[in-house]
Amino acid sequence: EPEVTQTPSHQVTQMGQEVILRCVPISNHLYFYWYRQILGQKVEFLVSFYNNEISEKSEIFDDQFSVERPDGSNFTLKIRSTKLEDSAMYFCASSVSGTGAYEQYFGPGTRLTVT
Amino acid sequence: GESVGLHLPTLSVQEGDNSIINCAYSNSASDYFIWYKQESGKGPQFIIDIRSNMDKRQGQRVTVLLNKTVKHLSLQIAATQPGDSAVYFCAEKGTNTGFQKLVFGTGTRLLVSP
Repeated sequence: EPEVTQTPSHQVTQMGQEVILRCVPISNHLYFYWYRQILGQKVEFLVSFYNNEISEKSEIFDDQFSVERPDGSNFTLKIRSTKLEDSAMYFCASSVSGTGAYEQYFGPGTRLTVT
Repeated sequence: GESVGLHLPTLSVQEGDNSIINCAYSNSASDYFIWYKQESGKGPQFIIDIRSNMDKRQGQRVTVLLNKTVKHLSLQIAATQPGDSAVYFCAEKGTNTGFQKLVFGTGTRLLVSP
């Protein structure tokens, strides 16, 4: 069964450093998403991406964040200057469609620890 | 404002029992609801979904009920097994929450004892 994959599984970085989290969505999916989950809290939407541009973003997704689809398979989330409060699990998801009732498939997540 | 919340943070059941996990939502414009299961260290895993034009949907050992009058969603798991132990999230999607993003509830931890 096809699945969303994410690398690395765990990333440790120092405050102020840039990090790039990588995802490979399911191959025939057209919509891509990033969510985050701070330890013990609920999953929060960050951004959705379609046709090589952001289609929707939350208030969390400020100028420190960016997303890119550098090639036909990868989807990345960049945090330019990490803060302690960026420590969380980051989940990538993908779906066939973005509207209506379409399941979003989630990857296993990258645990980001900012020290 | 929008919110999706769960009534009980932890539900403990015996193996073989039926489990019911509840969820309240506040956005009456939501038109699609999903239940996800999250095991420790893993991403959310789709269980079952339901559109707002339905009241009930059944899957394998799971049933989702939607009561739009009181904005309530429930997940029923029949013959609960130890492998069902996880955190369960309801999530909603609707036109005025942003047409693509899922809004997740806070989660209920299901503990199944053998």
